Amino acid sequence: GAGVSQSPRYKVAKRGQDVALRCDPISGHVSLFWYQQALGQGPEFLTYFQNEAQLDKSGLPSDRFFAERPEGSVSTLKIQRTQQEDSAVYLCASSQQGRFDNEQFFGPGTRLTVL
Amino acid sequence: AQKITQTQPGMFVQEKEAVTLDCTYDTSDPSYGLFWYKQPSSGEMIFLIYQGSYDQQNATEGRYSLNFQKARKSANLVISASQLGDSAMYFCAMREGSNTGGFKTIFGAGTRLFVKA
Repeated sequence: GAGVSQSPRYKVAKRGQDVALRCDPISGHVSLFWYQQALGQGPEFLTYFQNEAQLDKSGLPSDRFFAERPEGSVSTLKIQRTQQEDSAVYLCASSQQGRFDNEQFFGPGTRLTVL
Repeated sequence: AQKITQTQPGMFVQEKEAVTLDCTYDTSDPSYGLFWYKQPSSGEMIFLIYQGSYDQQNATEGRYSLNFQKARKSANLVISASQLGDSAMYFCAMREGSNTGGFKTIFGAGTRLFVKA
């Protein structure tokens, strides 16, 4: 079946604009994760959903970041009043369950550039 | 606190030779999972191999094997018979089973592998 897809693949925003990044997980996957990857670094955990419930949002860097997954499938990561430090690749991943030994399948990422 | 350390920013290996990428970790949770991912220049993260903290045997997946030394808290990735297509960034990652409910994955800074023809 299809893998994890993300849109848009590239986004350029002016400082202060709001952006919305979309993630379509693998069908039937219960768990969904968002990560932020700055240039030359490893991904940093942002938030986790189990179905529609957001069980962990400890990695969201500020209250300008908001994520939702209202029907337990597609998820949107919203960043309000974007700042230059928000420039990064945002990765989405899904897994069948939330168990720590479950493999996560990653999408291609959205590269956000804030000017 | 969870921590993953990859001390090799870059590594070179001759095609067809084996290479070891280092990873050490720190956790107080007795239940955890260790993962290796490959990230080519295209940007997508590709799962390579998994090792559970209670697994008795070292994990192997084709040309990939994980040298798991629990007492030393190391989980080195060994790639045998390197191929030009192995050139990429490699990330070591850990998820704790108890302390964080298995949700949070911590990644290392990565090692860039260059395979020479």
